[in-house]
Amino acid sequence: AQKVTQAQTEISVVEKEDVTLDCVYETRDTTYYLFWYKQPPSGELVFLIRRNSFDEQNEISGRYSWNFQKSTSSFNFTITASQVVDSAVYFCALSEVDTNAGKSTFGDGTTLTVKP
Amino acid sequence: DTEVTQTPKHLVMGMTNKKSLKCEQHMGHRAMYWYKQKAKKPPELMFVYSYEKLSINESVPSRFSPECPNSSLLNLHLHALQPEDSALYLCASSQPRRGGVVGELFFGEGSRLTVL
Repeated sequence: AQKVTQAQTEISVVEKEDVTLDCVYETRDTTYYLFWYKQPPSGELVFLIRRNSFDEQNEISGRYSWNFQKSTSSFNFTITASQVVDSAVYFCALSEVDTNAGKSTFGDGTTLTVKP
Repeated sequence: DTEVTQTPKHLVMGMTNKKSLKCEQHMGHRAMYWYKQKAKKPPELMFVYSYEKLSINESVPSRFSPECPNSSLLNLHLHALQPEDSALYLCASSQPRRGGVVGELFFGEGSRLTVL
């Protein structure tokens, strides 16, 4: 069975601070995909990144960066110089290859509040 | 703007009513999904359609009835709901799994349902 743990329920930072959202996963499969989604107050989940289990390269996209470490089963997400617009709930999700994306297992989410 | 459109955005219904939620996407995705999300919880998968055929039903009560009339449309028919069914209902789409590649989900903004 697969499991995703986002231990941080809520994080509050002041604008321009850096913040890291943790994600730890469990799976028996050797091939799997990891995702991060952002859910702002409007309700729509927005895809941020997909990473497959064979690609451990870290990725940077503007102020966002992701650190994938298979050795610790973690896929952490860092926002540099946070902004108020980053306030949202962030979900980490895991999909095993023998299922489609709809069977993603989501973590419980981390609510990020960025104060001006 | 989201590429997955859901209507209505808000719905209030009594326990004896029959109503429908609608979802439309024009990205050419052949997998479509219904999720239920309660406040401060991750999305829970309800149904998956792949190539217009129901492929996954996560043991959802029969008072929820999905329908996929064509590759762009997904409906969720509601009948004799209970107050505990009040939630945000999210529609999503993706490319079906192909060649071991799992695609990301594209979500709509959701339909917020209140059952009185």
